[in-house]
Amino acid sequence: SSELTQDPAVSVALGQTVRITCQGDSLRSYYASWYQQKPGQAPVLVIYGKNNRPSGIPDRFSGSSSGNTASLTITGAQAEDEADYYCNSRDSSGNQDVVFGGGTKLTVL
Amino acid sequence: EVQLVESGGGLVQPGRSLRLSCAASGFTFDDYAMHWVRQAPGKGLEWVSGISWNSGSIGYADSVKGRFTISRDNAKNSLYLQMNSLRAEDTALYYCAKDRLRNWNYGFIDYWGQGTLVTVSS
Repeated sequence: SSELTQDPAVSVALGQTVRITCQGDSLRSYYASWYQQKPGQAPVLVIYGKNNRPSGIPDRFSGSSSGNTASLTITGAQAEDEADYYCNSRDSSGNQDVVFGGGTKLTVL
Repeated sequence: EVQLVESGGGLVQPGRSLRLSCAASGFTFDDYAMHWVRQAPGKGLEWVSGISWNSGSIGYADSVKGRFTISRDNAKNSLYLQMNSLRAEDTALYYCAKDRLRNWNYGFIDYWGQGTLVTVSS
């Protein structure tokens, strides 16, 4: 099945901007969704589609896509943004499964 | 408010079976596809299975195909996962998740339950 590749860990200084990326062939055809997961909690959807935020998600979260790479950008990272972030998408390899990236641990310094 | 409450997890021996349930509320259940997603201890998210709004389309991850069966009862606002021939590698927190669409195969998950823990061990 298709794979989505994420950097295992990223860090950002408080108040700075950070980009978390997700790479995979399926992203040439389908948008990624992004989920935030804090320790001991269920994931929460933060970005879906071209660049859509669910109600309640701060506007410092944004999404973009180019070629085989989707990106989640946090502009002015806050301490509460420290979490694991996962991308997901539809598989384009023929199985038509749903795939998740391996996740990125974001540390806010 | 969307609520998804999983149940049925527990400790089970390898080779045995377990049935997970998910009670949904706060939305029109039969308008949306549903999924099961799991997370092994300390690991990432793994999609397990999806089912369309009317059960007409179903998909499974290769890792569970032939062993797990997803189903739903729209009259009871409930989602199920029958897990047979369980293996140690099936040990995980199993999340019930709602899709934004009627069909599952875009994986547009927008809400998650809190999960139920399945431990496969002798």
